[in-house]
Amino acid sequence: DAGVIQSPRHEVTEMGQEVTLRCKPISGHDYLFWYRQTMMRGLELLIYFNNNVPIDDSGMPEDRFSAKMPNASFSTLKIQPSEPRDSAVYFCASLSLGGELFFGEGSRLTVL
Amino acid sequence: RKEVEQDPGPFNVPEGATVAFNCTYSNSASQSFFWYRQDCRKEPKLLMSVYSSGNEDGRFTAQLNRASQYISLLIRDSKLSDSATYLCVPQGGSQGNLIFGKGTKLSVKP
Repeated sequence: DAGVIQSPRHEVTEMGQEVTLRCKPISGHDYLFWYRQTMMRGLELLIYFNNNVPIDDSGMPEDRFSAKMPNASFSTLKIQPSEPRDSAVYFCASLSLGGELFFGEGSRLTVL
Repeated sequence: RKEVEQDPGPFNVPEGATVAFNCTYSNSASQSFFWYRQDCRKEPKLLMSVYSSGNEDGRFTAQLNRASQYISLLIRDSKLSDSATYLCVPQGGSQGNLIFGKGTKLSVKP
């Protein structure tokens, strides 16, 4: 199994630009999560989906953030417009039936 | 009170030492508990699941105290390769409610 696949691995952009992060979960996993990690705040849960339906988006910081899951094998997290304080590592994870979270390698975002 | 609290450390210990981390959680509905390990600049990976009062896996022992709402992780005979950040994750009332603590950093020195 290829595991959870995220892209891009690194992105550097300027303030005000749109950022789109992508995730392909492990096949057969019904839950998909988006987390953000910074030194100050640790690993924060942004949103999670069950069977492609957003269940809890209370962690999404602002309206500038949006996430979609159009099908079971693809999800996006979009930031528009981006700001320097959005700089972080964004992780996507999917949940096995046994309750284990499998993380992607993360997308490291730097907003200048 | 924060949902999940951990001592950030760092814990600096010599090889062979025994070290213990605690984690407290606020959601009394939590039924399942997990410890994840995260190496520097890597993604978190599952270390242990804790479903009852506790369990043991080699040098690692996890214990759960529901009354006091804390879980602990004990590492015996620590190795250099144990150096990492250890993240506590209680699962809240729903399966998707997986809130991570900020983690405890462990550094094992020769």
